[in-house]
Amino acid sequence: SAVISQKPSRDICQRGTSLTIQCQVDSQVTMMFWYRQQPGQSLTLIATANQGSEATYESGFVIDKFPISRPNLTFSTLTVSNMSPEDSSIYLCSVVRTQGSTFFGQGTRLTVV
Amino acid sequence: KQEVTQIPAALSVPEGENLVLNCSFTDSAIYNLQWFRQDPGKGLTSLLLIQSSQREQTSGRLNASLDKSSGRSTLYIAASQPGDSATYLCAVNAGNNRKLIWGLGTSLAVNP
Repeated sequence: SAVISQKPSRDICQRGTSLTIQCQVDSQVTMMFWYRQQPGQSLTLIATANQGSEATYESGFVIDKFPISRPNLTFSTLTVSNMSPEDSSIYLCSVVRTQGSTFFGQGTRLTVV
Repeated sequence: KQEVTQIPAALSVPEGENLVLNCSFTDSAIYNLQWFRQDPGKGLTSLLLIQSSQREQTSGRLNASLDKSSGRSTLYIAASQPGDSATYLCAVNAGNNRKLIWGLGTSLAVNP
């Protein structure tokens, strides 16, 4: 298993501001993944965070809106920039461990007002 | 393009019933399939992982099966309890790039 500490667990933010979400993993991993889950929807992959290189973004997501940092093999941040109410979602980080099992952080519930 | 479908979308049962949740996928060339549980407003908890070479996995009252040829997986929950109430999601790993393709989930309510 993997222990992933994600924070904040929730936040209410003003339109136009930015929020940075942090994920700390209890051991080194090559790739970390950032997902968004909009209300009533399933998970959508935002990007894959690779240590030592730029993140790989999925279609529909851009670095200017969701900048990602990956300074070492146990830590990553996702920033939601210039927020609008449409960004209200649960944001989740995850890692893949031995044999392909995926583990998630506790999630960040973001409400933009 | 891989697509994952979960049926039913919602299920309400009395406590003690055995139940089956279904997951289907369109491309049988998968790396593995994983079942997760999500409580309201929370993150996801991994329940069972089935590798493409396996037919089933068991953990306590949970049993997950995989039939690649027909593109189906089922999650069997025995003797359901109110604490089992949650959304159950299945996700397919379609390749070695570790990206998961997700179903929309089954929302389960177990009534005392």
